[in-house]
Amino acid sequence: AQSVTQPDIHITVSEGASLELRCNYSYGATPYLFWYVQSPGQGLQLLLKYFSGDTLVQGIKGFEAEFKRSQSSFNLRKPSVHWSDAAEYFCAVGAGGNTGKLIFGQGTTLQVKP
Amino acid sequence: GAGVSQSPSNKVTEKGKDVELRCDPISGHTALYWYRQRLGQGLEFLIYFQGNSAPDKSGLPSDRFSAERTGESVSTLTIQRTQQEDSAVYLCASRKAGTTHEQYFGPGTRLTVT
Repeated sequence: AQSVTQPDIHITVSEGASLELRCNYSYGATPYLFWYVQSPGQGLQLLLKYFSGDTLVQGIKGFEAEFKRSQSSFNLRKPSVHWSDAAEYFCAVGAGGNTGKLIFGQGTTLQVKP
Repeated sequence: GAGVSQSPSNKVTEKGKDVELRCDPISGHTALYWYRQRLGQGLEFLIYFQGNSAPDKSGLPSDRFSAERTGESVSTLTIQRTQQEDSAVYLCASRKAGTTHEQYFGPGTRLTVT
């Protein structure tokens, strides 16, 4: 069965520092992979997605992620974090079939220190 | 156009009561999903609607949970005889026909069962 693991429940970085959030997935075929961000009191916003092709994908707000098949990973990165990036981040994999439903990791809460 | 909207934004109910949650998808989006997000956890898929096809109910946790959708419009999620473990944020998402897995989420309904 498909699954997503986000090993880090909580991460704190200083403003201006670089960020990497880890995501590992379990899926038999080429996965559809997503990163969403959830700010307090708001719904989820899509940051970026990977379907095929170039394994380094660019998203909104200066985020990027790299798909590594050999490591079953899809880590999210940002070179310089801003205080407004403090939020909860979810990695998800498409469940396959025709439904398009997503399987989510448990999320990583990002705290940004001034 | 407007995004996905959900109502109410917050609902407090007593154990044993029935509740009804509403989702208005983005106009023209044929697919609609309900997810549940328990405190500190990722999203769990509940149910999926696609046009007039039979819904995928595989994620509904018990027969106390049901959902309806008329055509490609509003959906309601009903929880009967609520229990404390039903306390969670219920998120709705919609997807445009012809896209793959790209879901747009509403702000959610926070349900508290006392």
